[in-house]
Amino acid sequence: DSGVTQTPKHLITATGQRVTLRCSPRSGDLSVYWYQQSLDQGLQFLIQYYNGEERAKGNILERFSAQQFPDLHSELNLSSLELGDSALYFCASSVGGLAGASTDTQYFGPGTRLTVL
Amino acid sequence: AQSVAQPEDQVNVAEGNPLTVKCTYSVSGNPYLFWYVQYPNRGLQFLLKYITGDNLVKGSYGFEAEFNKSQTSFHLKKPSALVSDSALYFCAVRQNTGFQKLVFGTGTRLLVSP
Repeated sequence: DSGVTQTPKHLITATGQRVTLRCSPRSGDLSVYWYQQSLDQGLQFLIQYYNGEERAKGNILERFSAQQFPDLHSELNLSSLELGDSALYFCASSVGGLAGASTDTQYFGPGTRLTVL
Repeated sequence: AQSVAQPEDQVNVAEGNPLTVKCTYSVSGNPYLFWYVQYPNRGLQFLLKYITGDNLVKGSYGFEAEFNKSQTSFHLKKPSALVSDSALYFCAVRQNTGFQKLVFGTGTRLLVSP
């Protein structure tokens, strides 16, 4: 158990809908990262938050957004869902988040499996 | 931009035999390298990382990895495989400057037969 929790474990929804994925980082970690794992794209970095602020963006679609709250949990919002958004969404956390300064390990949660029908 | 290649989709070994899962990388500057393992319906579990120093890194569950700068490789090894090691293994790299996103390889499925 990494200490990173994600809810829900599974989510089944229809095209065009909007969903919210939730992540709680390990105690003491200030950074949260979101990754998408799909069969065709592999594991891809979406976005990073550090202590409530967006730190880095990767291959995140405009239909997707995220935020990190004062208690450091994070939510990933996916809207106007398409079939191709079906994937496993991972959250990871690490202690720090400042560019270049950290040798931190990212610890991953169990993921949320999203199925869009 | 950084990238990782895992040239083998699958590696088959017999229990008790040594195993190697290959990884090569491309990154500007010095790399930070990581190995993660994914069991079915589970998240990614951290195995080990190379930041600096000794080229042979020891990690969890008896795994180790050897960093080779000249060959830009970071192969995962274990002296004696267990059936329970069967899983999907991912190599990842990030730069030692700039943002901390991990760039993952495509994964290698390890099958250890009894």
